[in-house]
Amino acid sequence: DADVTQTPRNRITKTGKRIMLECSQTKGHDRMYWYRQDPGLGLRLIYYSFDVKDINKGEISDGYSVSRQAQAKFSLSLESAIPNQTALYFCATSDFGGGPSGTDTQYFGPGTRLTVL
Amino acid sequence: GENVEQHPSTLSVQEGDSAVIKCTYSDSASNYFPWYKQELGKRPQLIIDIRSNVGEKKDQRIAVTLNKTAKHFSLHITETQPEDSAVYFCAASNAGNMLTFGGGTRLMVKP
Repeated sequence: DADVTQTPRNRITKTGKRIMLECSQTKGHDRMYWYRQDPGLGLRLIYYSFDVKDINKGEISDGYSVSRQAQAKFSLSLESAIPNQTALYFCATSDFGGGPSGTDTQYFGPGTRLTVL
Repeated sequence: GENVEQHPSTLSVQEGDSAVIKCTYSDSASNYFPWYKQELGKRPQLIIDIRSNVGEKKDQRIAVTLNKTAKHFSLHITETQPEDSAVYFCAASNAGNMLTFGGGTRLMVKP
């Protein structure tokens, strides 16, 4: 879905480095999410934001921080990367599903493959 | 909060056979149930969804059924093809809340 973009697409870094992954969307959605996916495993939620002033921890937020710079931008930072943070990272967006025509469907970006050596 | 369990974790079928993936959810207020397909190295993409006011929905070779009383829903793929091989995720939400995903099912269709 070209409406949700992530940069970089691939990144190799070293232990202890600070890394920022960026997500942008043109879908006009208020809600944005960051997930982590390890090989052969499911999606685990790191952080989510329901609007620019709202940031919430997910199930695996330790070692990560986020910034919601605008409705369209949501960044994920690893302050001091460690090897077990090597994974595929997805950003996603959704509308508000509680409205008359809204849906909780999430639309995913293409992913960022991060390797920490 | 919502808890979604998905079974089986892996499923291998012969090309042309049917495949069924099942999910259960815990929150009786959940009313939206999408299914995502993730091909190797790609992003999860929505393939079909169902709302709680509907018991079944079909789209060509795929269908989803919902049993609100038992709190479970299933994905059915008929006449499977090699390109159906992927990881499938179910999810559930209560309108206005975020999706909770199941653990995923790796479907392998053998030619």
